[in-house]
Amino acid sequence: AQSVSQHNHHVILSEAASLELGCNYSYGGTVNLFWYVQYPGQHLQLLLKYFSGDPLVKGIKGFEAEFIKSKFSFNLRKPSVQWSDTAEYFCAVNARSNYQLIWGAGTKLIIKP
Amino acid sequence: DAGVIQSPRHEVTEMGQEVTLRCKPISGHNSLFWYRQTMMRGLELLIYFNNNVPIDDSGMPEDRFSAKMPNASFSTLKIQPSEPRDSAVYFCASRPTGTNTEAFFGQGTRLTVV
Repeated sequence: AQSVSQHNHHVILSEAASLELGCNYSYGGTVNLFWYVQYPGQHLQLLLKYFSGDPLVKGIKGFEAEFIKSKFSFNLRKPSVQWSDTAEYFCAVNARSNYQLIWGAGTKLIIKP
Repeated sequence: DAGVIQSPRHEVTEMGQEVTLRCKPISGHNSLFWYRQTMMRGLELLIYFNNNVPIDDSGMPEDRFSAKMPNASFSTLKIQPSEPRDSAVYFCASRPTGTNTEAFFGQGTRLTVV
């Protein structure tokens, strides 16, 4: 069965620190990959997505993610975080052969001002 | 487009009452998902529809939960009878045709069962 693993459930950083959130999936076929963000009290919004092409994907608000097929990973990065990045971040995967999204458990990110 | 529209935004009900949550997907999207989010269990997929047909309802907790999609523009999630442990935020999401697409989420319904 497909699964998505997010390595850290909680991350606390100071402003201006660099961020990397891990995401690994288990599926041997072709996949689409997503990172969603949920700000406190809000719904999930798409941060960035990878379907094909350049494995380094740039999203909104200075976020980027790199798809490394050999490692089944799609880690999220940001060189310098801001207090407003405090949110929960979800990695999601779907196999090209079906429509269902498989979600990671989420990582709660807290940025100290 | 106004996005995925859910109603109500907040619902407080007494244990044992019937609760109906509503969702209007984005026009043209043929996949619809119902999720439940709690502090303890995180984001859980309850049911997934494709072209108005339930494809996977393995996440529906028990018989008290039921979901319908009578047409492409409307879906309901019903809990009867409701219990305090059903308190959560329920999200609806829709997705266009094809797998190279992302899901769009509604604002959610915060359900409190007292």
